[in-house]
Amino acid sequence: QSALTQPASVSGSPGQSITISCTGTSSDVGGYNYVSWYQQHPGKAPKLMIYDVSNRPSGVSNRFSGSKSGNTASLTISGLQAEDEADYYCSSYTSSSTLFYVFGTGTKVTVL
Amino acid sequence: EVQLVQSGAEVKKPGESLKISCKGSGYSFTSYWIGWVRQMPGKGLEWMGIIYPGDSDTRYSPSFQGQVTISADKSISTAYLQWSSLKASDTAMYYCARRNADRVDYWGQGTLVTVSS
Repeated sequence: QSALTQPASVSGSPGQSITISCTGTSSDVGGYNYVSWYQQHPGKAPKLMIYDVSNRPSGVSNRFSGSKSGNTASLTISGLQAEDEADYYCSSYTSSSTLFYVFGTGTKVTVL
Repeated sequence: EVQLVQSGAEVKKPGESLKISCKGSGYSFTSYWIGWVRQMPGKGLEWMGIIYPGDSDTRYSPSFQGQVTISADKSISTAYLQWSSLKASDTAMYYCARRNADRVDYWGQGTLVTVSS
């Protein structure tokens, strides 16, 4: 099972909106509404930001939103803040793995 | 409060064995899959394998099958990841993670394993 494809880096200025894509196949992203997103700051464990494509866990800012179209899921961060600078990983259920889930390749978000 | 607390950092030599742990608390340990995730220096997240402590059903990623062993002791709410013969390429941060339906909702703090002669 190959990792889902994300851009290596995305950048934006404070206050702007950015979108991170996560491209898979019909066996994962396109076939199920089980996409989640994780934020990881340097030296820290990942943190769940979005699940089931577009749901936010309690405590996560509403500046983070998720969506999906076909085989590509997206995470949008609006009103970009310095604290949003981190690595972001998508994950999806997959029918192609005995572990059922696969991560994306990861995206470094830089706040200019 | 749900917590996953991992054992501390390890420095080992190639060929040595190692077992690291992840203790769950604040929830029914036997009711959720626990997975192990590798993150090599400067790299992304990789699922290594998962275990369901309720019945010890264990599954491995093909990349890690035969390279590591995942186990759990439900009497003490602890999951384990072990190697019989470490290699330098095993140097990485290892996270345990609780799978809740289709997502990971809790992560351990990570265990850094360094393998060097």
